[in-house]
Amino acid sequence: EIVLTQSPGTLSLSPGERATLSCRASQTVRRSYLAWYQQKPGQAPRLLMYDASSRATGIADRFSGSGSGTDFTLTISRLEPEDFAVYYCNQYGTPPVTFGQGTRLEIK
Amino acid sequence: QVQLQESGPGLVKPSETLSLTCTVSGGSISPYYWGWMRQPPGKGLEFLGYVYYSGSTSYNPSLKSRVAVSLDTPKSQFSLKLTSLTAADTAVYYCARAVDSNPFDIWGQGTMVTVSS
Repeated sequence: EIVLTQSPGTLSLSPGERATLSCRASQTVRRSYLAWYQQKPGQAPRLLMYDASSRATGIADRFSGSGSGTDFTLTISRLEPEDFAVYYCNQYGTPPVTFGQGTRLEIK
Repeated sequence: QVQLQESGPGLVKPSETLSLTCTVSGGSISPYYWGWMRQPPGKGLEFLGYVYYSGSTSYNPSLKSRVAVSLDTPKSQFSLKLTSLTAADTAVYYCARAVDSNPFDIWGQGTMVTVSS
């Protein structure tokens, strides 16, 4: 199975700053079938990005995704207070579906 | 607007079988994938398996011998069975929907399952 490794484990930033989250795959993600989810405490994951760079319905344009092959990035251009959460990458191109271990984005 | 709701026991004994049901409202079973994920307390997400609207299934190889997902289209429900439970199966269990070649986009709120005697 494809192992996804996210870095950093925790990112401490202030509102208004730019956040860059990384996801590295153990092998090529087929067709860039890479998604990003946001999860807040006590809530289900919310889909942010799919196909590496497409925003899901209703997602603010301060969220952007990039990458291909084995290296992917989620960027939040200017952090809002509601963006502080845990973020997971997910590949759905090669069975079984796998998730990264998560990056916690916390307020500095 | 499609909504998913998990239901099932919150407490199960070790060695027993967990049965969870996800009820789909506001939409059709076809032509989607219907999956189950779980999240142990304080940990990340793990894919368990899915059933396609046609009835075909796919499972996480690490659990393949213990997990089964099935579909009841007339009731707009799909189910998870997980056998031979241990404390390591304690987690929040989520059901979710995916379109072909897309990630799971709609999730249930999750249900906490504790394995303990």
